[in-house]
Amino acid sequence: SQTIHQWPATLVQPVGSPLSLECTVEGTSNPNLYWYRQAAGRGLQLLFYSVGIGQISSEVPQNLSASRPQDRQFILSSKKLLLSDSGFYLCAWIRGLDTIYFGEGSWLTVV
Amino acid sequence: KNEVEQSPQNLTAQEGEFITINCSYSVGISALHWLQQHPGGGIVSLFMLSSGKKKHGRLIATINIQEKHSSLHITASHPRDSAVYICAVPGSGGGADGLTFGKGTHLIIQP
Repeated sequence: SQTIHQWPATLVQPVGSPLSLECTVEGTSNPNLYWYRQAAGRGLQLLFYSVGIGQISSEVPQNLSASRPQDRQFILSSKKLLLSDSGFYLCAWIRGLDTIYFGEGSWLTVV
Repeated sequence: KNEVEQSPQNLTAQEGEFITINCSYSVGISALHWLQQHPGGGIVSLFMLSSGKKKHGRLIATINIQEKHSSLHITASHPRDSAVYICAVPGSGGGADGLTFGKGTHLIIQP
């Protein structure tokens, strides 16, 4: 079956510390994968998307980066977190614009 | 870029009431999604619409392609329907850049 998972679910990190959120997909190959952020009271903002291994497109210049080391793995990273990086992060797999699967989400609080 | 507007932003109703949430978009689309975000953050897909109407249990979604407008209706609303409802349409990048999301409608159904 087709599933998508992301972790960790929650984390509290100090300013200046690194970040790594991981997303994996099962039951498909060469998926289009996306990282979104949802700040308090705001809609989902596209951060990065990837259509294949090593292919990353960035929508918004920011303190974050993404990597696609394997076909079904998508990683969101930061070398030094800022307070403004706090929010809810979602990984998504969108197939042909007619099917969407979301990961469980990751709540990040930067203190 | 497709602009997505939802209304109302917040809605509080009594159990049993008929609920309507609206979504308007600026650029013609091939499909529109309605999503439900639970208080814990997880998002699930409710409907994908390309024309007409779809029904799933007490949920009904309609779309008018010419008017660039969609509505989500909930009949006989129940407290467990309390959630954020989000509409989403394809982005401007020919599909690879995923979806553009509305800011969501925060629905509270009181018993």
